[in-house]
Amino acid sequence: ETGVTQTPRHLVMGMTNKKSLKCEQHLGHNAMYWYKQSAKKPLELMFVYSLEERVENNSVPSRFSPECPNSSHLFLHLHTLQPEDSALYLCASSQVGPGVSNTGELFFGEGSRLTVL
Amino acid sequence: QKEVEQNSGPLSVPEGAIASLNCTYSDRGSQSFFWYRQYSGKSPELIMSIYSNGDKEDGRFTAQLNKASQYVSLLIRDSQPSDSATYLCAVNHYGNNRLAFGKGNQVVVIP
Repeated sequence: ETGVTQTPRHLVMGMTNKKSLKCEQHLGHNAMYWYKQSAKKPLELMFVYSLEERVENNSVPSRFSPECPNSSHLFLHLHTLQPEDSALYLCASSQVGPGVSNTGELFFGEGSRLTVL
Repeated sequence: QKEVEQNSGPLSVPEGAIASLNCTYSDRGSQSFFWYRQYSGKSPELIMSIYSNGDKEDGRFTAQLNKASQYVSLLIRDSQPSDSATYLCAVNHYGNNRLAFGKGNQVVVIP
């Protein structure tokens, strides 16, 4: 396994469904991220788990719930989503901390394309 | 004001020409600057990082940073069809693990 892997690659769900996106990184990094990418909009940071601390974007609705059981795995639990939540959800990892000068060098997974009907 | 702005529309360049992309940012405290390339249907990949004023060259790519004017640019020399992609500008503070991205600029290299 290499880099950052995401499953599933494609997901179609109804507004009442509950589903989860999974991400796994094999790079030994200590920070993981969820980004949302919608057409014609900048990448939007949703959640960060860094050095076991969670940081979130306060504008993210509560129907998105992250989980990070360890430094290599990250989940995004989805519940009662809306059609406007349809987007590409990207997981990324990086190495952060004192002495790390290249913060911002994110390694992205291939993404999970979500369609909410 | 948007944190990171990339205002140019799709950029079409003939093969072999120079593609020039610009990005401005609003936070004067920003210290780290990145260019990511994203092919259609793929995830972003880092192609350049720059931390100090001036130019940084890596192969056919040159990043230019001007902190006083708050802009960072990317030049692609001898453009190839394989350079056709969307280029994302990203900015953050040193040691901060939160990147702010621009919307991206699409580059189309015409053979």
